[in-house]
Amino acid sequence: NAGVTQTPKFRILKIGQSMTLQCTQDMNHNYMYWYRQDPGMGLKLIYYSVGAGITDKGEVPNGYNVSRSTTEDFPLRLELAAPSQTSVYFCASSTSGTGHNQPQHFGDGTRLSIL
Amino acid sequence: GQQLNQSPQSMFIQEGEDVSMNCTSSSIFNTWLWYKQDPGEGPVLLIALYKAGELTSNGRLTAQFGITRKDSFLNISASIPSDVGIYFCAGHSRDDKIIFGKGTRLHILP
Repeated sequence: NAGVTQTPKFRILKIGQSMTLQCTQDMNHNYMYWYRQDPGMGLKLIYYSVGAGITDKGEVPNGYNVSRSTTEDFPLRLELAAPSQTSVYFCASSTSGTGHNQPQHFGDGTRLSIL
Repeated sequence: GQQLNQSPQSMFIQEGEDVSMNCTSSSIFNTWLWYKQDPGEGPVLLIALYKAGELTSNGRLTAQFGITRKDSFLNISASIPSDVGIYFCAGHSRDDKIIFGKGTRLHILP
């Protein structure tokens, strides 16, 4: 029962470095999402995908890129890490149902610090 | 833009007490979801609500979809130590957007 798996769990980056946060799900869900959670705040949507080959911007996409070459994988890339991107990143997936109103299944998060 | 106002921000209660939290918005939502997040983990779905007026229970948890479609509440009865965590509401709007509240942090005093 893997569900949504995120790697790595923790990472420290220097300003200007790049990295890819990995997310994979084994539930055959069409919809996948990337959120960031800042201390004391709720979740903010970065990017989402409604299926392989399709991605769309969420509320806070600047500084990030995504790709969806397969149904299972939805990596998030930071090209030039900045201190403002220090956060906890959550990947989620859901069935398509009638749009985005199906419950989302979340991974355990990636804690990223930019120093 | 659309916002969800979740309250209270935090709660300190005694074990065994009942808990109530709610989310309100000026916008109409088609679906309300309640999640719980334990420290170091991702949110986990507790209850999903799809119809105005719907009242749904999951063990000691009860949630309702407000008649106006602009609010929802979550109640926890007879709280126990493992109820500690952050509870999030999430609404799905008519224009297919997903909005999360900022969370209610539940603390249980020994």
